[in-house]
Amino acid sequence: QKEVEQNSGPLSVPEGAIASLNCTYSDRGSQSFFWYRQYSGKSPELIMSIYSNGDKEDGRFTAQLNKASQYVSLLIRDSQPSDSATYLCAFLDSNYQLIWGAGTKLIIKP
Amino acid sequence: DAGVIQSPRHEVTEMGQEVTLRCKPISGHDYLFWYRQTMMRGLELLIYFNNNVPIDDSGMPEDRFSAKMPNASFSTLKIQPSEPRDSAVYFCASSFDGRGETQYFGPGTRLLVL
Repeated sequence: QKEVEQNSGPLSVPEGAIASLNCTYSDRGSQSFFWYRQYSGKSPELIMSIYSNGDKEDGRFTAQLNKASQYVSLLIRDSQPSDSATYLCAFLDSNYQLIWGAGTKLIIKP
Repeated sequence: DAGVIQSPRHEVTEMGQEVTLRCKPISGHDYLFWYRQTMMRGLELLIYFNNNVPIDDSGMPEDRFSAKMPNASFSTLKIQPSEPRDSAVYFCASSFDGRGETQYFGPGTRLLVL
């Protein structure tokens, strides 16, 4: 069964520090990986996508992919209270369906 | 564009009643997805359409659930009869291309079945 594993948290990080969110996936054939952010009571929104091994940076966000280890992570630099949310990891399976993790709740403490 | 539109935003009903959830995808998007989210099970794909045609409904929990997409701008998810375990947030999402393109989510319908 295709799965995405995430620590449910909550992960508490002081404001200004680096928040590190991790995700492992089961499908070795997957080529596309996504991080969605979901604020409490709101809908998920895409913040990062990554398709190749290595790092991809977008502002304060960096996604890291290691296909050999089946591992993808999201780093948030200079964390702000507005980053407090649940972060959902997802990958695209061979049928082009998104397989979702349960999400990690991130709390940024002022 | 107004984004994905869902209605109603909140629904409270009694067990056994029929519930109809509605979705208007973003214009020009060929893919439409229905998801259900609960604390216990997270985000689950129920069914998705490509060009108004249902492609995969393997996530639909049972025959009480049905979904239609009569045209490119409208879809419904119906539960008949509803049960308390159907209580969840139901999201509709659309994308231009199902092959990894960003899925844009609607605000969701919060369903409570008493």
